[in-house]
Amino acid sequence: GAGVSQSPRYKVAKRGQDVALRCDPISGHVSLFWYQQALGQGPEFLTYFQNEAQLDKSGLPSDRFFAERPEGSVSTLKIQRTQQEDSAVYLCASSLKGAVYLPSKFFGPGTRLTVL
Amino acid sequence: GNSVTQMEGPVTLSEEAFLTINCTYTATGYPSLFWYVQYPGEGLQLLLKATKADDKGSNKGFEATYRKETTSFHLEKGSVQVSDSAVYFCALSKDFGNEKLTFGTGTRLTIIP
Repeated sequence: GAGVSQSPRYKVAKRGQDVALRCDPISGHVSLFWYQQALGQGPEFLTYFQNEAQLDKSGLPSDRFFAERPEGSVSTLKIQRTQQEDSAVYLCASSLKGAVYLPSKFFGPGTRLTVL
Repeated sequence: GNSVTQMEGPVTLSEEAFLTINCTYTATGYPSLFWYVQYPGEGLQLLLKATKADDKGSNKGFEATYRKETTSFHLEKGSVQVSDSAVYFCALSKDFGNEKLTFGTGTRLTIIP
């Protein structure tokens, strides 16, 4: 398809398990963002890539969270030793290269993570 | 730091009613302002944006004007439809080249026929 895709759409993990969430951005989109959306809240920024370079990871809540985009396209968000407070929808967004003209972001459908 | 405060929901209106969803922001300098919409079962979509003071963003009958003097970006529509039922998020972006978004908590809008 032409949009941003994310997999899995739903993930249930037991506390302490590691999880990996995948994002396939729109082809040719240089910028990629991860956001975390807790129930009833707005999305909160986690991290930003331009191509394969992670330029901003200031929103990652702890060192259990790790993101990568090794070839500048697909990205993976990994959460180690999951905890109940990690339960949220994880959103991926992509856009053309960041510029003065603020290219539009396209969001994926999200991965709903539930930690039991 | 940057923050966005928007009208708490849920908001329920009858079809053809006038809609206002309030949004105010806190940021240094001149952020860009956005409204995103999330329809049931779908991902976030950009509804409209404004990049400087007094700009008016518009789309699908919705409008919002960037008011620097009141640090506001209220969303309005003159006559809502059932298909407008969704969650609406106000957001700002401060950093060129990164454009990370700071979102409000969202307002759930339900339009009844």
